Amino acid sequence: DAGITQSPRHKVTETGTPVTLRCHQTENHRYMYWYRQDPGHGLRLIHYSYGVKDTDKGEVSDGYSVSRSKTEDFLLTLESATSSQTSVYFCASGTGDSNQPQHFGDGTRLSIL
Amino acid sequence: GQNIDQPTEMTATEGAIVQINCTYQTSGFNGLFWYQQHAGEAPTFLSYNVLDGLEEKGRFSSFLSRSKGYSYLLLKELQMKDSASYLCAVGSSGGSYIPTFGRGTSLIVHP
Repeated sequence: DAGITQSPRHKVTETGTPVTLRCHQTENHRYMYWYRQDPGHGLRLIHYSYGVKDTDKGEVSDGYSVSRSKTEDFLLTLESATSSQTSVYFCASGTGDSNQPQHFGDGTRLSIL
Repeated sequence: GQNIDQPTEMTATEGAIVQINCTYQTSGFNGLFWYQQHAGEAPTFLSYNVLDGLEEKGRFSSFLSRSKGYSYLLLKELQMKDSASYLCAVGSSGGSYIPTFGRGTSLIVHP
């Protein structure tokens, strides 16, 4: 396994509060990704990183920001959480080579009331 | 852009064979992955195809036809533990490697 962990695993919070999810990998992978997974939508990319301090938007980036200060850590922040951001969030890492699979964390179940 | 289509749900009987299809349209093709995801768990890698043909790995096989934009995952001798979602992901050529995922096929295996 890639040794990728997410924290927290579960979180319940209120609308309007800031939320930060953390992803940590021990494989020295260059690429890291944040996805959300919702029924009927599959995995949708929020943001990704291709190196320290190098990040870019995915297809559903509105309302989210990310930071990557070290190779091993990739943070996802919801500046002001909304109920539409209730979801399961998965972090993944990979080499960035097209023939290598992504390795996923166990997910964070986030509920915004 | 990319468009990936998979059936939403399939059911099958223990011991049987099931084929899960994935069709894709992409501006550039750079390989196709299949992942398995059990309920409440992370997706895990099953197979990778970049050339046409069949790749066999134990009870699981994956097929690719680039000219048709088509792949399938074949599961033989189904077991109850094969009940899961199966995700098809396609990578596009050029720039950063950002695969696009289909919505997944939920497979239910009955005794």
